[in-house]
Amino acid sequence: ETGVTQSPTHLIKTRGQQVTLRCSSQSGHNTVSWYQQALGQGPQFIFQYYREEENGRGNFPPRFSGLQFPNYSSELNVNALELDDSALYLCASSRYGGEQFFGPGTRLTVL
Amino acid sequence: ILNVEQSPQSLHVQEGDSTNFTCSFPSSNFYALHWYRWETAKSPEALFVMTLNGDEKKKGRISATLNTKEGYSYLYIKGSQPEDSATYLCAPSYGNNRLAFGKGNQVVVIP
Repeated sequence: ETGVTQSPTHLIKTRGQQVTLRCSSQSGHNTVSWYQQALGQGPQFIFQYYREEENGRGNFPPRFSGLQFPNYSSELNVNALELDDSALYLCASSRYGGEQFFGPGTRLTVL
Repeated sequence: ILNVEQSPQSLHVQEGDSTNFTCSFPSSNFYALHWYRWETAKSPEALFVMTLNGDEKKKGRISATLNTKEGYSYLYIKGSQPEDSATYLCAPSYGNNRLAFGKGNQVVVIP
């Protein structure tokens, strides 16, 4: 059984740009959750996708959006990047309501 | 925003010594408490999930307890080894399948 993978590992963008981060869920999982970990903070819940629909959202603006595909992989899109968006972005896959298994994260730097 | 506090934030432990740290969280509408172990450049790894007041879980030299009435959990490491060096994340959930992380307890075991 393959684990959760994320791509890219890290990337650098400039303010105002858009970015797409990708997450491949673990085999047998149908739910993906995304978290943002800013420097010195714990991971903060962004949103969750279940069966291709958004299923709960944290305190993040609409320029944070996502998708889940029929194979349950997921994308996180961030528009109009701001300096404060610099962070580690973690995704976690699970069966619905079950234990979440995390990927290694994508490190985003916004200049 | 839920207030999840972990203390101490960081600690250095001599190899062979035992240590413990605390996670406190809002007890209202509590559903489950998750502990993760996170080594640098790797994925957070699930250690324990606890739901019932008085729950105790053990995995090797690491154990955890849960008090849902007062909203706290303890994590214990017995006979610390260098491979225990990691950040330990506490994350309660409240029935909505989203994890509310603390900032973590960073442990460095000195050989």
